[in-house]
Amino acid sequence: AAGVIQSPRHLIKEKRETATLKCYPIPRHDTVYWYQQGPGQDPQFLISFYEKMQSDKGSIPDRFSAQQFSDYHSELNMSSLELGDSALYFCASSLEGGLDTEAFFGQGTRLTVV
Amino acid sequence: AQSVAQPEDQVNVAEGNPLTVKCTYSVSGNPYLFWYVQYPNRGLQFLLKYITGDNLVKGSYGFEAEFNKSQTSFHLKKPSALVSDSALYFCAVRNFNTGGFKTIFGAGTRLFVKA
Repeated sequence: AAGVIQSPRHLIKEKRETATLKCYPIPRHDTVYWYQQGPGQDPQFLISFYEKMQSDKGSIPDRFSAQQFSDYHSELNMSSLELGDSALYFCASSLEGGLDTEAFFGQGTRLTVV
Repeated sequence: AQSVAQPEDQVNVAEGNPLTVKCTYSVSGNPYLFWYVQYPNRGLQFLLKYITGDNLVKGSYGFEAEFNKSQTSFHLKKPSALVSDSALYFCAVRNFNTGGFKTIFGAGTRLFVKA
């Protein structure tokens, strides 16, 4: 079965550079979520989109922005990168974003800022 | 505030023995509760969920969880642990007060199953 695809899997950037992470949800899923997971930490919600509109916002820094495109894929844009941005970034998708709907996670993009 | 607590950072169990990974929650209103498992360098995988109905929920890989409203708990259980169950387990909650599009995760519990 098709899963959530994230690219790239690994990314190394220098401080103050920009990075773009991509997420391709499961076909027909209309909701995408982004999470940040630091080493040894639980996933922290960043932002979500439902039907191409931002649906909720968590602890996403102002330096980050995201959007969901007409084909439902999503991109997380990160600018002025800081060392503390080094983390595993997960994208998840679900259908209709219902409260009782589980999310399906991608394998994540490991971002290392040096 | 909505929150999820996993009181144990780590659980150790011998293969073949029953395992329990604890989770308690604090939400106003009815909770929607989930368990996810994370293997090294992998994304979270859904295990099971409680929405309504029977308090005992059965999920993937032989796992089950019991919803206890009076104790606000949703402990994950398995009758007989396997070495391959060793992973990081996250309890999560959603309800109307978290918004439909945000899942609150617990801090995670690392399960070690010894052969």
